[in-house]
Amino acid sequence: DVKVTQSSRYLVKRTGEKVFLECVQDMDHENMFWYRQDPGLGLRLIYFSYDVKMKEKGDIPEGYSVSREKKERFSLILESASTNQTSMYLCASSFPATADTQYFGPGTRLTVL
Amino acid sequence: AQSVTQPDIHITVSEGASLELRCNYSYGATPYLFWYVQSPGQGLQLLLKYFSGDTLVQGIKGFEAEFKRSQSSFNLRKPSVHWSDAAEYFCAVVPTGTASKLTFGTGTRLQVTL
Repeated sequence: DVKVTQSSRYLVKRTGEKVFLECVQDMDHENMFWYRQDPGLGLRLIYFSYDVKMKEKGDIPEGYSVSREKKERFSLILESASTNQTSMYLCASSFPATADTQYFGPGTRLTVL
Repeated sequence: AQSVTQPDIHITVSEGASLELRCNYSYGATPYLFWYVQSPGQGLQLLLKYFSGDTLVQGIKGFEAEFKRSQSSFNLRKPSVHWSDAAEYFCAVVPTGTASKLTFGTGTRLQVTL
């Protein structure tokens, strides 16, 4: 079975802190994604990576950056956390074929105080 | 504008009743279409997907979906709902000719009464 793991299920940070969310997949997928999920808004794509050290902005990249130094690991970074970044963050991975199935991690619920 | 619409925010059905969740899209060409389910406290799991061919698609857990080009719809159905189907359901699309980036609808939360 494909496994996508995220470093924390719950995280509480203070405004202005630098926050790292880690995602690891074990299926040798080229593509990895970070989404945020908010009630009434569904999932929105923050960043997308299609290869090591390659990244593309999604629909809502402001306030976020990403890092992909190894194929299996994709990190989301909040340079200076703000309260409006309180949300559920979901990581996913897939093979590169167009519209291949994306496999999701369980999510990290981040609260910024 | 290109969009995916799930008009029902919340649906309640009795166990054993049939279910239909609506999804409409607005794209110039037919996109690739997906339904995902998110059980409480879990990540998303793919139920089924449509790329081309037969417009009735079978998925896991007894779900099916029908693509109707004339209505720009891809509605999810199940003939008899089980209490374990209570979850949030997301319709998603990948526009043809683009990279593998999903655009999600806002979701429909399904409640099942016993």
